[in-house]
Formats: sequence, structure tokens, C-alpha cells
Amino acid sequence: AQSVTQPDIHITVSEGASLELRCNYSYGATPYLFWYVQSPGQGLQLLLKYFSGDTLVQGIKGFEAEFKRSQSSFNLRKPSVHWSDAAEYFCAVGLSGYALNFGKGTSLLVTP
Amino acid sequence: GAGVSQSPSNKVTEKGKDVELRCDPISGHTALYWYRQSLGQGLEFLIYFQGNSAPDKSGLPSDRFSAERTGGSVSTLTIQRTQQEDSAVYLCASSLVFRASGGRNTGELFFGEGSRLTVL
Repeated sequence: AQSVTQPDIHITVSEGASLELRCNYSYGATPYLFWYVQSPGQGLQLLLKYFSGDTLVQGIKGFEAEFKRSQSSFNLRKPSVHWSDAAEYFCAVGLSGYALNFGKGTSLLVTP
Repeated sequence: GAGVSQSPSNKVTEKGKDVELRCDPISGHTALYWYRQSLGQGLEFLIYFQGNSAPDKSGLPSDRFSAERTGGSVSTLTIQRTQQEDSAVYLCASSLVFRASGGRNTGELFFGEGSRLTVL
């Protein structure tokens, strides 16, 4: 069965520190991959997406993600976290149908 | 409007009542999706529309849930005889559908801010 796994439910980082959020998927073919962010009381916003080509993709707000086919992973990274990055982050995978399959999310807390 | 609009933003109802949640997608977006977000559960897919038809309604939890879309635009999600376990945030999203090989949707989803449903 197709699935998306975000192993970390909560992550705490200090402001200015680097960040990596993990995403693994189980899918029969190379899927389309997305990262969304949900700030408190707001809707989901797309950070970045991978369809094909360069496996390192750049997104908004200084985020990037790397697709690793051999590891079935699409981890999200940011070199230096800002307090405003505190939010819920969702990895999503494009299925062979039309709906995106979302992971359960990783809640990011940023400490001073 | 510029974004996906959902109403009501908050709904409190009593167990057993029916509720209707509305979604107004981005103009020109042919695809429309309903998801449910429960605490700690991520986003659960409910149903997808392409135009006015629903090719994939596999995620609807029970026959108490139904959805329709008219005019290729506004969609309504109806929950009949609500139960406490229906309490959640119901998210609507829309997208332009790009059909790559295999017919997969590669389009970005644009989400509304959701309708928070509380069943007492």
C-alpha cells in the first residue's frame, strides 16, 4: 500500500540552528513529492515540490529538499531556522489517482 | 476571490444534526478536494472532484458523508446525523490538473483555511 511517513512528530530546534525534517514514502514508482507548511490558525501553504529532474529543489522561505530515490526519502532542510518557522510541516505524495497522500505532520518548535 | 474560500469557519452542532460545509475554489481550477484534519492524524483524504464528477470518493468515512459540486465551482460537503467522532477541521483544496504520463495529477493544491466542526 502507498504510504507517507514522517517519523518525527515533534522537533525542537534553537533559533539559528539548522533543521532537517524527514519524509519517507512507499510507492511503486517515483511519485510526485511536496512539502506543505501550516502555521497556527492558517491554511496549508506549499513550500516546494519535486516532479522530476534535479533532485535538490529550492522552495520558499529558504527551505530546500532533496529527493533520494535509493532511500525513498524527501527530507526538508533549512540552514538557519527563524522563530517564524514554528509550524506544522506536512510531506505529501502524488498518487496514481488524483489526490495527494499526506503524512501525519511534524510539529516544529523554535526556542530562543 | 483570490484564494480558496470555506464557510463556515467554525460550526458547533449537536449530535444527530446535519451540517453543510461549503467550499469556493480558485476561479478556473477544475479539480477540488476535501480533506479532514483531526488532531494528531494528519490530513485524511475524503473525496476529489474533476469538474462536477467525483472520480474518487474512496475516502468518505461512511454513507453519512456526501459531497456535490455544481457548475464546476462551489462544492458542498454534507454530514448527516453527525457524531462526535466527526469533529475535525475540514479542509478544501483546489488545483489545475496537469496530466502527466499515467494520468497522475502533478498540480499544486491550494488550500482554504478550513471549517472547524465541533459535535457536542
